[in-house]
Amino acid sequence: DGGITQSPKYLFRKEGQNVTLSCEQNLNHDAMYWYRQDPGQGLRLIYYSQIVNDFQKGDIAEGYSVSREKKESFPLTVTSAQKNPTAFYLCASSTKDRGGNSPLHFGNGTRLTVT
Amino acid sequence: AQSVTQPDIHITVSEGASLELRCNYSYGATPYLFWYVQSPGQGLQLLLKYFSGDTLVQGIKGFEAEFKRSQSSFNLRKPSVHWSDAAEYFCAVFTGGGNKLTFGTGTQLKVEL
Repeated sequence: DGGITQSPKYLFRKEGQNVTLSCEQNLNHDAMYWYRQDPGQGLRLIYYSQIVNDFQKGDIAEGYSVSREKKESFPLTVTSAQKNPTAFYLCASSTKDRGGNSPLHFGNGTRLTVT
Repeated sequence: AQSVTQPDIHITVSEGASLELRCNYSYGATPYLFWYVQSPGQGLQLLLKYFSGDTLVQGIKGFEAEFKRSQSSFNLRKPSVHWSDAAEYFCAVFTGGGNKLTFGTGTQLKVEL
């Protein structure tokens, strides 16, 4: 079955270390997204990519970086510059439809804890 | 700026009772609206969406939502709630450019047996 795989499910890091979260999809979707979820704040967009080798900042991109070298993969790096990195991170994908007529498909998330 | 408001943070209903979750949006043009559901520790699943046409849309799991332009609302309803409906529900509006969605802060639904 097609879907989005995020790994690992739980991730622990020490403060000051960079960490990379994996996101792979086999839905043949052009667009991919990273959201951060915090209690009571809903989902906030970090980065998104509509095509390979191109990506744009979302609403809260500071302290994060991404790459899109392959259509299937959109890894997110949480850098030491991110002041409050502990959160639940969700990756999503969709077909490339600028009209909005393309629902997001979500992975099951990675819970990152930084101490 | 576009925004989505879900005024109820928590809602508790008895199994078998009806449910209505509220969603209000702020958007200049005709909105594309969505409802997603999230089980604990999981990703989000699309329940239903509204783009145009009939203002009452049907979704999966027996949910429906009604778009009311005059009230800027897109409330989610279910006639009879099941214990398995306990989850967090998010309303979202398409805000243009790269298929981006703006999400509300969510409503946590608890179902009492």
